[in-house]
Amino acid sequence: QKEVEQDPGPLSVPEGAIVSLNCTYSNSAFQYFMWYRQYSRKGPELLMYTYSSGNKEDGRFTAQVDKSSKYISLFIRDSQPSDSATYLCAMSLYNAGNMLTFGGGTRLMVKP
Amino acid sequence: GAVVSQHPSWVICKSGTSVKIECRSLDFQATTMFWYRQFPKQSLMLMATSNEGSKATYEQGVEKDKFLINHASLTLSTLTVTSAHPEDSSFYICSARDVTGDQPQHFGDGTRLSIL
Repeated sequence: QKEVEQDPGPLSVPEGAIVSLNCTYSNSAFQYFMWYRQYSRKGPELLMYTYSSGNKEDGRFTAQVDKSSKYISLFIRDSQPSDSATYLCAMSLYNAGNMLTFGGGTRLMVKP
Repeated sequence: GAVVSQHPSWVICKSGTSVKIECRSLDFQATTMFWYRQFPKQSLMLMATSNEGSKATYEQGVEKDKFLINHASLTLSTLTVTSAHPEDSSFYICSARDVTGDQPQHFGDGTRLSIL
């Protein structure tokens, strides 16, 4: 069993839909949770970063962390074709900049 | 936001040659840089952790003599793929950790390496 599980998709939605992306993890010691967006042949771009449990909102993006369930989510409102990319969840133990454990990534396609 | 520059973005070379990839933090100092490898439709696989002024720490299964890492300054780390072969063809990505504060890693745009 992988330490961080993420549905690979692809997830196809119409433009304007609300998208829900999720990861589950097994190590309860993880404290820092990140979501990265990766376009084809590009490096990952940091979207959201949260510490411990709770919600964080930034524009159309909302990140949720439920440490009791070992479950994190990223919601994208009013999805756009430009949101089409692979979304990677990542987490670390003692510091946000420490070694990251990645999920496998979910490929999202937003159709106009 | 923090910028990490990776160069070259794409390189094609003959089998047996060595290739150097540079990773620079442009607007912050990075005591630690990470090197990843990514195969198509897969997630990032950590190869090594590079700390400024000291030897890199390699992940299990990564050949340190094959993938030479140097981190000579707070803004530059290099990965040299020595005597590259077709099986070394991949997408290599670096990331950097800001020396100040508790911030997530920032990633470069990757280097696509093709060995003929």
